[in-house]
Amino acid sequence: DAGVTQSPTHLIKTRGQHVTLRCSPISGHKSVSWYQQVLGQGPQFIFQYYEKEERGRGNFPDRFSARQFPNYSSELNVNALLLGDSALYLCASSPDPPIGPEKLFFGSGTQLSVL
Amino acid sequence: AQSVTQPDIHITVSEGASLELRCNYSYGATPYLFWYVQSPGQGLQLLLKYFSGDTLVQGIKGFEAEFKRSQSSFNLRKPSVHWSDAAEYFCAVGAAGTYKYIFGTGTRLKVLA
Repeated sequence: DAGVTQSPTHLIKTRGQHVTLRCSPISGHKSVSWYQQVLGQGPQFIFQYYEKEERGRGNFPDRFSARQFPNYSSELNVNALLLGDSALYLCASSPDPPIGPEKLFFGSGTQLSVL
Repeated sequence: AQSVTQPDIHITVSEGASLELRCNYSYGATPYLFWYVQSPGQGLQLLLKYFSGDTLVQGIKGFEAEFKRSQSSFNLRKPSVHWSDAAEYFCAVGAAGTYKYIFGTGTRLKVLA
């Protein structure tokens, strides 16, 4: 079975632009979470979606938004890009609702560079 | 405030030597604790987790971790390191009802042949 897939793997944008990152969860998984990993730091929680509803949001500005589609895939959108948005964006999926913090499967990430 | 501290940014050990990676946490509720490993260009792979019960937990790849509530620590150990263990290791804390994990800044492990 395929794991969590993210696209694109790498992306270069300029300041002020908009970007859309995509994630396909493991088949059968209904929960998707997004994390931002800045170089030299641990991942930081951005969003969590379950059954197409937002179930959690981290401390990120409104420039960051996300959605989950009926097939449980997800998009992360970032508007008005800043240099500080350069990071590895990780998507993780899980089969269950967030009853307990387990069974989180991570993709390989999208490396976003903002110039 | 909730936080996870990994005091060692880099650790270098010789192949076959023992390993201990430190993790301290600050969390108001009963924490769920995790160790993840990240190889270059890869996502995070779960090594082990602690929810409750036995404070010594076994994980994949021969890793184990011990939860010490009195010290707010969850250190990762391996008796004999292999060259393939070279990677970055992240400690994380979470709580029931959320996938909002708080990660430490990571420890990069280098293994000498």
